[in-house]
Amino acid sequence: GNSVTQMEGPVTLSEEAFLTINCTYTATGYPSLFWYVQYPGEGLQLLLKATKADDKGSNKGFEATYRKETTSFHLEKGSVQVSDSAVYFCALRGNNDMRFGAGTRLTVKP
Amino acid sequence: EAGVAQSPRYKIIEKRQSVAFWCNPISGHATLYWYQQILGQGPKLLIQFQNNGVVDDSQLPKDRFSAERLKGVDSTLKIQPAKLEDSAVYLCASSLIRTGQETQYFGPGTRLLVL
Repeated sequence: GNSVTQMEGPVTLSEEAFLTINCTYTATGYPSLFWYVQYPGEGLQLLLKATKADDKGSNKGFEATYRKETTSFHLEKGSVQVSDSAVYFCALRGNNDMRFGAGTRLTVKP
Repeated sequence: EAGVAQSPRYKIIEKRQSVAFWCNPISGHATLYWYQQILGQGPKLLIQFQNNGVVDDSQLPKDRFSAERLKGVDSTLKIQPAKLEDSAVYLCASSLIRTGQETQYFGPGTRLLVL
């Protein structure tokens, strides 16, 4: 079946550092890929998505590229801010299925 | 635009009791999803509705869990009888349509503790 594996946390970075959170997937067919974020005290919300191979999703300075050859969708940001502290979830949608990774907690220190 | 509403926000029950959660999706959203999120894990999809019909409930433990969306708007998720391992946050989400690429909008969740 479909599955998502993401980098274990927690991740602690200093402000303006470069961020990478790894995400790999296993799926049949052509799934859509997502990154959802949960800020402290808030509900899950979509950060970005990509619906086909080589697509790049981007939002709020974050980017992720749908790599079919490596079955990956790594999240990157060039310069993190304290306000980026949150839990990040990689997710896959295929047919009637929706699978989430376990989440990676990011803390950014000033 | 109002978001997805869920109630109650917190519930504590003893094992073997029953419990029900309510969800009101964003107005006009045809698709509704229920997830279970156990501490330290990502959300697990339990059931999804398209209007008032079930699209998929393959991961719903049907011996104790049930869900309905009678008029294609609000939905309830019920657990009867509850087990200790049902302690989790139950999330409701909705989307405008179901395309495989849709953005899902999540509610704040109901945190359930089974003692």
